[in-house]
Amino acid sequence: KAGVTQTPRYLIKTRGQQVTLSCSPISGHRSVSWYQQTPGQGLQFLFEYFSETQRNKGNFPGRFSGRQFSNSRSEMNVSTLELGDSALYLCASSLRDLAASYEQYFGPGTRLTVT
Amino acid sequence: GQQVMQIPQYQHVQEGEDFTTYCNSSTTLSNIQWYKQRPGGHPVFLIQLVKSGEVKKQKRLTFQFGEAKKNSSLHITATQTTDVGTYFCAGGYSSASKIIFGSGTRLSIRP
Repeated sequence: KAGVTQTPRYLIKTRGQQVTLSCSPISGHRSVSWYQQTPGQGLQFLFEYFSETQRNKGNFPGRFSGRQFSNSRSEMNVSTLELGDSALYLCASSLRDLAASYEQYFGPGTRLTVT
Repeated sequence: GQQVMQIPQYQHVQEGEDFTTYCNSSTTLSNIQWYKQRPGGHPVFLIQLVKSGEVKKQKRLTFQFGEAKKNSSLHITATQTTDVGTYFCAGGYSSASKIIFGSGTRLSIRP
């Protein structure tokens, strides 16, 4: 089975721009979660999508949004980029929603740099 | 709200020494998961503990879940250079549909 894929792998944007990141989960997985990882901050939960519905959201401003398509692929959008948004964005797929606590399979991440 | 605290933040050991990382939750957990992230890599699932007092072993790694289901530990015996990385615990709170990651413990090893 192919693993979780994320595109693009690297991205450089300037302040004020917007960005869209994509995640394709493992075949058959219906849950996709997004995390922001910065040095010293660990993995900060952004949101989870299951069957095209947002199930849960972390403590991030409304500039961070996402969606999930019927094939379970997910996109994350960040508008009006700020320098502090520079981070590794990881998506993770799971067979079931987070409430079921199945293991999560992480993609390689998208490294976003905001200048 | 739910919080997962993980200590220590860093640990630097001599190869062959043991290593332990600890996680504590502010409230009772449904389960706990452990992940390992190698430098430059992404987190990889190691194990899940569900039962109170549960102990599981994977070769040199021993995982424990506290009796009150509020704490957990990962112990590595006789570390090797391949153990280098950051170890994360992730607390599952099924009633809140949440999994919350600890801040991770970064393990480095002197050969």
